Amino acid sequence: DIVMTQSPDSLAVFLGERATINCKSSQSVLHSSNNKNYLAWYQQKPGQPPKLLIYGASTRESGVPDRFGGSGSGTNFTLTISSLQAEDVAVYYCQQHFSVPFTFGPGTKVDIK
Amino acid sequence: EVHMLESGGGLVQPGGSLRLSCLGSGFTFNNYAMNWVRQAPGKGLEWISSITGSGDRTFYADSVKGRFTISRDNSMNTLYLQMNSLRAEDTAEYLCAKGQSSSDYSASDYWGQGTLVTVSS
Repeated sequence: DIVMTQSPDSLAVFLGERATINCKSSQSVLHSSNNKNYLAWYQQKPGQPPKLLIYGASTRESGVPDRFGGSGSGTNFTLTISSLQAEDVAVYYCQQHFSVPFTFGPGTKVDIK
Repeated sequence: EVHMLESGGGLVQPGGSLRLSCLGSGFTFNNYAMNWVRQAPGKGLEWISSITGSGDRTFYADSVKGRFTISRDNSMNTLYLQMNSLRAEDTAEYLCAKGQSSSDYSASDYWGQGTLVTVSS
């Protein structure tokens, strides 16, 4: 199984400042046939289901504000919120959908400092 | 507008069974893989099962393999999860999620609100 780890477990950032979340997979999730990373990022606010933010490691889902950005390839990935807004308070999860089981990271809680 | 509505959750005794349903709307149901993901109270997300758009391939997490069965009725736009031999550790919110494509290997772009399953005597 591919194990997903995230760091930090939680972080608090001032409004308008940058938040950076890291995600690491125990094996590469880069598919050689199409050169795509099978890595997604989700945002989950309290009492709500997850929302897809980023897929393919760096492609923003339709309607997602451009302050959210994804980067990385292979086994190391980053989600960046360039200017934190109050509505971004949530838990963020990465997930690999490269191989079964499609494992999630443990989540990173983002708060306002 | 894409929408998923889960139902069928509830309180069940250990060893019991439940069948969850997820009604999809706002998209061509049989064109997309579907997934079940669960979240224990206060915990993170756990993928448990996926099924292709046609229903010809299914996948399971080891934690539920042999006990849970995913299926779909494309004529009814409905996804199912038959859960047998339930254990206390199966207590969680169960969410259905639509895949981005017909392939099982895709991210989940729309999620239902979930249905709560509690396994307790």
